[in-house]
Amino acid sequence: ILNVEQSPQSLHVQEGDSTNFTCSFPSSNFYALHWYRWETAKSPEALFVMTLNGDEKKKGRISATLNTKEGYSYLYIKGSQPEDSATYLCARGSNQFYFGTGTSLTVIP
Amino acid sequence: GAVVSQHPSRVICKSGTSVKIECRSLDFQATTMFWYRQFPKQSLMLMATSNEGSKATYEQGVEKDKFLINHASLTLSTLTVTSAHPEDSSFYICSAPTSGRDYEQYFGPGTRLTVT
Repeated sequence: ILNVEQSPQSLHVQEGDSTNFTCSFPSSNFYALHWYRWETAKSPEALFVMTLNGDEKKKGRISATLNTKEGYSYLYIKGSQPEDSATYLCARGSNQFYFGTGTSLTVIP
Repeated sequence: GAVVSQHPSRVICKSGTSVKIECRSLDFQATTMFWYRQFPKQSLMLMATSNEGSKATYEQGVEKDKFLINHASLTLSTLTVTSAHPEDSSFYICSAPTSGRDYEQYFGPGTRLTVT
């Protein structure tokens, strides 16, 4: 079973708030965990690729952590801005990806 | 980052007709591309792996005779939905890995197919 689960399904936060989402996945046969940011009518934008247990990656106000032993990853957004509004997808896999259903974030000005 | 395009972005066709969707890697070569589809409220699901110069491999439950894949060059893969039916209405999206960077893949913007 390669089910990837994401929570919450959707989230509304005020501008300036920090927030985080969860991605859980089966820990067996793990290769890599990917986070994408997806705006409507655009291509999903790669945020992070993580492969090692304990990995922490950061890009500006966005960061992510990985726990391969327990099968979860967190994505954090510090000081949310309206332009952060998007769907955030996680996927596990090396070439063929298995996606979660995404977390839809709306940042209210 | 690398760019992948898809065409068309949106298509409406009548039941029984065929529709071709193109996926192009614009600034890199891709010997492999992947096709996914997404039904409402569901996750992106892998349909098939497109291999340049050889046959595509299909995921379980995906009919190869219905979803024809051609990867004729290092920058183009096409997905043809043959004899489309309303249940084929979905969002189709392709991706391509770039060489040299572990596990990174770039996605097209997707194609919304509506079969009436």
